[in-house]
Amino acid sequence: DAGVTQSPTHLIKTRGQQVTLRCSPKSGHDTVSWYQQALGQGPQFIFQYYEEEERQRGNFPDRFSGHQFPNYSSELNVNALLLGDSALYLCASSFFSYEQYFGPGTRLTVT
Amino acid sequence: DQQVKQNSPSLSVQEGRISILNCDYTNSMFDYFLWYKKYPAEGPTFLISISSIKDKNEDGRFTVFLNKSAKHLSLHIVPSQPGDSAVYFCAANDGTSYGKLTFGQGTILTVHP
Repeated sequence: DAGVTQSPTHLIKTRGQQVTLRCSPKSGHDTVSWYQQALGQGPQFIFQYYEEEERQRGNFPDRFSGHQFPNYSSELNVNALLLGDSALYLCASSFFSYEQYFGPGTRLTVT
Repeated sequence: DQQVKQNSPSLSVQEGRISILNCDYTNSMFDYFLWYKKYPAEGPTFLISISSIKDKNEDGRFTVFLNKSAKHLSLHIVPSQPGDSAVYFCAANDGTSYGKLTFGQGTILTVHP
């Protein structure tokens, strides 16, 4: 049973560029959440997708947007990248449960 | 505003002894709590959870205690093993939906053989 998968593993971008990160949920899960984890901090909630709609959003600017596809996979898009966007981006999936299962993350470096 | 706090950045324990990791929260709306473990280069792994209607939940070597009046929870690991060495995060949900988890900053646990 495949768990949550994310791609790419690592990414280096320049300030002002745009980036797209991808996530496939654990088999049987229909809800995808995205988190940003800065160095030495806990994950911070960006938003959650369910039934292809953004259901809940954290305190992140509109530069952060997402999408969920009919197969429940999801994308996170970040526009106009800032140095402060450098972080580990985690995707988590769930199915009618508080317990979210995380992927290995995408390490984004903005230079 | 840090609504979930883990005030100990690190904890060092001898193999076979008890590890106690602590977490405090400020939001009285939180009513479901989870502990995650994270190894380097991996995503957080769910360990154990507790609902606010309980004060204790056990799963093998792991026990979580919840003190609602003190807004405090703790994770006990008995006996501790070197493979338990990792970063431990507590997280909370406000129960309005199966949505946002609010995480603490994490505690690095090192178990020495």
